[in-house]
Amino acid sequence: GNSVTQMEGPVTLSEEAFLTINCTYTATGYPSLFWYVQYPGEGLQLLLKATKADDKGSNKGFEATYRKETTSFHLEKGSVQVSDSAVYFCALSGGSGGSNYKLTFGKGTLLTVNP
Amino acid sequence: DTAVSQTPKYLVTQMGNDKSIKCEQNLGHDTMYWYKQDSKKFLKIMFSYNNKELIINETVPNRFSPKSPDKAHLNLHINSLELGDSAVYFCASSQEIYRRDNPAQYFGPGTRLLVL
Repeated sequence: GNSVTQMEGPVTLSEEAFLTINCTYTATGYPSLFWYVQYPGEGLQLLLKATKADDKGSNKGFEATYRKETTSFHLEKGSVQVSDSAVYFCALSGGSGGSNYKLTFGKGTLLTVNP
Repeated sequence: DTAVSQTPKYLVTQMGNDKSIKCEQNLGHDTMYWYKQDSKKFLKIMFSYNNKELIINETVPNRFSPKSPDKAHLNLHINSLELGDSAVYFCASSQEIYRRDNPAQYFGPGTRLLVL
């Protein structure tokens, strides 16, 4: 079945630092890939998505590129802000071995940005 | 303009009780979901419904019974609550799923259940 592996946190950065959160996946076929963000005490918000190889999802300065050859979907941001402090989840759905009717999540990466 | 709403936001109850969580979406979506987030923040699918029909039941105990009275609502009833049921429960919805289209899911704010 499908699975998602994210880098272990927590990640602590200073404001304006460069962010990378690694995400790799196991799935056959062509799953769709997502990044979700969860701010403290809140639900999950969709941050960005990509549905086919080489697609780049982007939103609020965050980017991730669907790399089928390396089965990766790393999240990047050039200059983080204190307000980016949250838990970030990589997720996928679909693919040949998975269902379109559920998201499979990574374990989440806690990001803390200090002023 | 709440898209996916859940009630209650917090639920504290005794072991053995029966409780319900309600979910409503006003996005016009056809597919709804329940996820459970444990104390380590791990998220796992429980149920998926498409057009009021159960699509996925992911090895969830029979004590959990979802009910979808219409496409905009998916409620979760839990019988005989156990300590291990303590978690955050998220409802989500998405557009209709077609063969090669995996639409994004939109999540509610969560219901924080604590079983004492």
